[in-house]
Amino acid sequence: EAQVTQNPRYLITVTGKKLTVTCSQNMNHEYMSWYRQDPGLGLRQIYYSMNVEVTDKGDVPEGYKVSRKEKRNFPLILESPSPNQTSLYFCASSMTGGPGSPLHFGNGTRLTVT
Amino acid sequence: GQQLNQSPQSMFIQEGEDVSMNCTSSSIFNTWLWYKQDPGEGPVLLIALYKAGELTSNGRLTAQFGITRKDSFLNISASIPSDVGIYFCAGPRGGYQKVTFGIGTKLQVIP
Repeated sequence: EAQVTQNPRYLITVTGKKLTVTCSQNMNHEYMSWYRQDPGLGLRQIYYSMNVEVTDKGDVPEGYKVSRKEKRNFPLILESPSPNQTSLYFCASSMTGGPGSPLHFGNGTRLTVT
Repeated sequence: GQQLNQSPQSMFIQEGEDVSMNCTSSSIFNTWLWYKQDPGEGPVLLIALYKAGELTSNGRLTAQFGITRKDSFLNISASIPSDVGIYFCAGPRGGYQKVTFGIGTKLQVIP
């Protein structure tokens, strides 16, 4: 089954403790992206990647890192999480990132930073 | 950055009623996308619009790309309980790698 898999689904951590949220897709998609969803703000793009070793900032990249060493994986790294990074995170992928290439989303990771 | 304004932000409707929601921007978009997010899941693409004035249907859903390219509308006819969720409009910008989402319209359907 074609899918985008995020892990974990739920994560509670403390301020300053490094964490990684994994994202994997099995559709051989070139484009991958991370979003955070907050009440009243919708979905905001954190980082995206057009292909292996090609990443770029979205609208809210501060406090996050990403890497794209393999085509299928695009982990989101929080080196020193803070409470304002408490949010619902979504990973998405698409064939090319172009207009005719719809985004496929994972089921989300709910992160709480205390 | 560019913003998409969606309205209404939430709505309660009776099963069987028709629903309309819209999305506006101060900037021109060349593509408009409508996604639906079911509770506990990620958004799923419903309809994509690529040309100003375009009207596209997907079952009971109809979406239009505004002539000014600064707005889009989504209509749902004869709503059913499984229409419950959050509906997002979205517009790719720049080289399409960056996608702006609206804040969403939360739809509740009363059986």
